[in-house]
Amino acid sequence: GESVGLHLPTLSVQEGDNSIINCAYSNSASDYFIWYKQESGKGPQFIIDIRSNMDKRQGQRVTVLLNKTVKHLSLQIAATQPGDSAVYFCAESEYGNKLVFGAGTILRVKS
Amino acid sequence: SAVISQKPSRDICQRGTSLTIQCQVDSQVTMMFWYRQQPGQSLTLIATANQGSEATYESGFVIDKFPISRPNLTFSTLTVSNMSPEDSSIYLCSVLSGGGLYEQYFGPGTRLTVT
Repeated sequence: GESVGLHLPTLSVQEGDNSIINCAYSNSASDYFIWYKQESGKGPQFIIDIRSNMDKRQGQRVTVLLNKTVKHLSLQIAATQPGDSAVYFCAESEYGNKLVFGAGTILRVKS
Repeated sequence: SAVISQKPSRDICQRGTSLTIQCQVDSQVTMMFWYRQQPGQSLTLIATANQGSEATYESGFVIDKFPISRPNLTFSTLTVSNMSPEDSSIYLCSVLSGGGLYEQYFGPGTRLTVT
């Protein structure tokens, strides 16, 4: 299907390596952040979230880091697999309602 | 998480016509949202679909162009009216998870091409 990330920055990693995807957010009042994965032809899939009272949260093979001082969010994927290839979006919200999405990053995993 | 379906999954429409997109959720949810994703772009919120009242539109989106219905807690429609090629996008509905959490889950999207 048609790619949704034709004009987005690309991160290429070798299978088995760790991936780090970065995101700068804009609203200092945002108190909730989510990472989504979007594969071609599909809707965004929830990966992991974090609230502003935390600076790190771990899931299965994924870790989200939040630096409120510089308004920066990152997603770390351990032992990246070909199935991780997708477009990754961060999103921020204030009081958990309206989500504001970042520009997105294409992750390509080389076998 | 809620299971969300959208109809149609894709369509090709003539300019000047309208298309209504349906979003069905397998459980009752309080909040439903409609987003647009233009080719190669990120997602932009169109409006929040409120059950029993008019939708709340974001800046740049108006009810005459994107009328929304929300007749109950499991269903919503978005109509793209008087379409032009600039309306070619993926349209996605999402729902806020229950239980006091802020997670939003998305449907598979409707890919619209206007010729």
